[in-house]
Amino acid sequence: GEDVEQSLFLSVREGDSSVINCTYTDSSSTYLYWYKQEPGAGLQLLTYIFSNMDMKQDQRLTVLLNKKDKHLSLRIADTQTGDSAIYFCAERSSGNTGKLIFGQGTTLQVKP
Amino acid sequence: GAVVSQHPSRVICKSGTSVKIECRSLDFQATTMFWYRQFPKQSLMLMATSNEGSKATYEQGVEKDKFLINHASLTLSTLTVTSAHPEDSSFYICSAARTGASYGYTFGSGTRLTVV
Repeated sequence: GEDVEQSLFLSVREGDSSVINCTYTDSSSTYLYWYKQEPGAGLQLLTYIFSNMDMKQDQRLTVLLNKKDKHLSLRIADTQTGDSAIYFCAERSSGNTGKLIFGQGTTLQVKP
Repeated sequence: GAVVSQHPSRVICKSGTSVKIECRSLDFQATTMFWYRQFPKQSLMLMATSNEGSKATYEQGVEKDKFLINHASLTLSTLTVTSAHPEDSSFYICSAARTGASYGYTFGSGTRLTVV
């Protein structure tokens, strides 16, 4: 079945780069997403990548996709304290509903 | 663009009562909306897929008579938690799929339900 896995916690110092990793199982996924959730809030779409792309960069965010290994990563350059949040990786189901399957979320802690 | 408004943001109700949560797409039409439940420090669990003008599709293990979903228009879906119990206390989040969009779904800000 469809499954998305993430590491649960990452701690970095302000100014460093953060790399959050994700693995998925559905090889027919069309889109993969990264969402950010701050405490008590909904999810904010950070970026997405289409399955035929290897890399996508958007300002401080870089997404790398290794389709062979079903591995997705999100790199945040020059991490700031405001980046502290939970980051969810999600794949778009290949089924007709197009529902999103989420990973467990990675809590990013940025230390000053 | 692509804003989803969810209300209320927080609600406290007594056991046995029903609570309605609204999810509105403000600047686009959403033929499909999704309802999620999130437990503390956990991921989002998809409860059901709501389709405008038809019955919702519930995920396995979700009681359709307990969690009533209505998607009567292209901009509004509602989730009603009926006969609420303390174990229904949770964070409920909706998301809306913009027709033709490839960039993912827009999420509401969530509703914190506490049943006392």
